[in-house]
Amino acid sequence: QQQVKQSPQSLIVQKGGISIINCAYENTAFDYFPWYQQFPGKGPALLIAIRPDVSEKKEGRFTISFNKSAKQFSLHIMDSQPGDSATYFCAASDQTGANNLFFGTGTRLTVIP
Amino acid sequence: DSGVTQTPKHLITATGQRVTLRCSPRSGDLSVYWYQQSLDQGLQFLIQYYNGEERAKGNILERFSAQQFPDLHSELNLSSLELGDSALYFCASSVGDSDTQYFGPGTRLTVL
Repeated sequence: QQQVKQSPQSLIVQKGGISIINCAYENTAFDYFPWYQQFPGKGPALLIAIRPDVSEKKEGRFTISFNKSAKQFSLHIMDSQPGDSATYFCAASDQTGANNLFFGTGTRLTVIP
Repeated sequence: DSGVTQTPKHLITATGQRVTLRCSPRSGDLSVYWYQQSLDQGLQFLIQYYNGEERAKGNILERFSAQQFPDLHSELNLSSLELGDSALYFCASSVGDSDTQYFGPGTRLTVL
């Protein structure tokens, strides 16, 4: 059973546009929600993360929006650039418990120049 | 560069064989996690060690085992390999057992 559901599977955005990736979870014990960026042949790299005590976190062009009641969170990439073309994974963990990450299925983002 | 190192980068072997994957965590990190990434299963947690002790287990097959040594490096042992074990194996590390995880570059295992 997929603990974290992610959509869309793939996304094509024009340079300068906004990329939006959505995730949903069921386990209310999750208390840490990171996003990872992965380029081909590389390991996942932490992009930004949020905890459920805030509804939004922004770091540069990347913003996480978090809706605790709906058990949903999303990644917004503003002013998307060709260099942002990668696969993005949302994840969740219960840091008071085992802390292992449950990953979404990934979104392949392509930013067209 | 996350500071987590993994060797080898690529591994090609035959069915029925046994291999060992090695991971060195970031300096100062006590926790090591192993994940498997395959096309059909995505990124899945296998096992976690914290300061030499097994902390959590995920969907790890009985043919797979791991350990963390006193110098904190970890090894993942895969035995009786099957075609379906072909995947990318990632190691991640964190300072404690409830912190942000940083991933290594992975080992690509191909079983022929």
